[in-house]
Amino acid sequence: AAGVIQSPRHLIKEKRETATLKCYPIPRHDTVYWYQQGPGQDPQFLISFYEKMQSDKGSIPDRFSAQQFSDYHSELNMSSLELGDSALYFCASSLRGTGFEKLFFGSGTQLSVL
Amino acid sequence: QKEVEQNSGPLSVPEGAIASLNCTYSDRGSQSFFWYRQYSGKSPELIMFIYSNGDKEDGRFTAQLNKASQYVSLLIRDSQPSDSATYLCAVTLSGGYQKVTFGTGTKLQVIP
Repeated sequence: AAGVIQSPRHLIKEKRETATLKCYPIPRHDTVYWYQQGPGQDPQFLISFYEKMQSDKGSIPDRFSAQQFSDYHSELNMSSLELGDSALYFCASSLRGTGFEKLFFGSGTQLSVL
Repeated sequence: QKEVEQNSGPLSVPEGAIASLNCTYSDRGSQSFFWYRQYSGKSPELIMFIYSNGDKEDGRFTAQLNKASQYVSLLIRDSQPSDSATYLCAVTLSGGYQKVTFGTGTKLQVIP
């Protein structure tokens, strides 16, 4: 079965650079979520999209932005990167019509800011 | 107070024993409760979900929900070394459509 696909798997950037993370949800899933997980930390909710519109916002810094495109894939854009942005970034998708949010996660993008 | 709280562990149990993982949540309006398993460096994997008070069993896993006490637990029977992982409790909070909030996770170690 198709899963959530994230790219790239690993990304190394310098401080103040920009990064773009991509997420391709499970086919027919209409909702995408972004989470940030630091070492030894729980996943922190950043932002979610339903049918290409932002549906909820969590602890996403103003330096970050995200969007969901017509094909339902989503991109997380991160600018003015800081050392503290180094983390594992997960994308998850779900099908809202099922009534409850069972999230299926991608393998994540490991971002290292040097 | 965190919205979802778990004991970080590590919780060590011998192989074949029952592992009991606990989670409390602060929002009485919470509607859905999930347990995710996460191996180190890997993504969380959904293993159980429960919506109603009581017990829900799936193989070696049993989820228990008590909304009055704002408490949800996961029991793993006949624990295996392969069960060694971090278990994340997740809750959908009232307000904001079904945003899922995670606890900090409990690290389980099953000792052969």
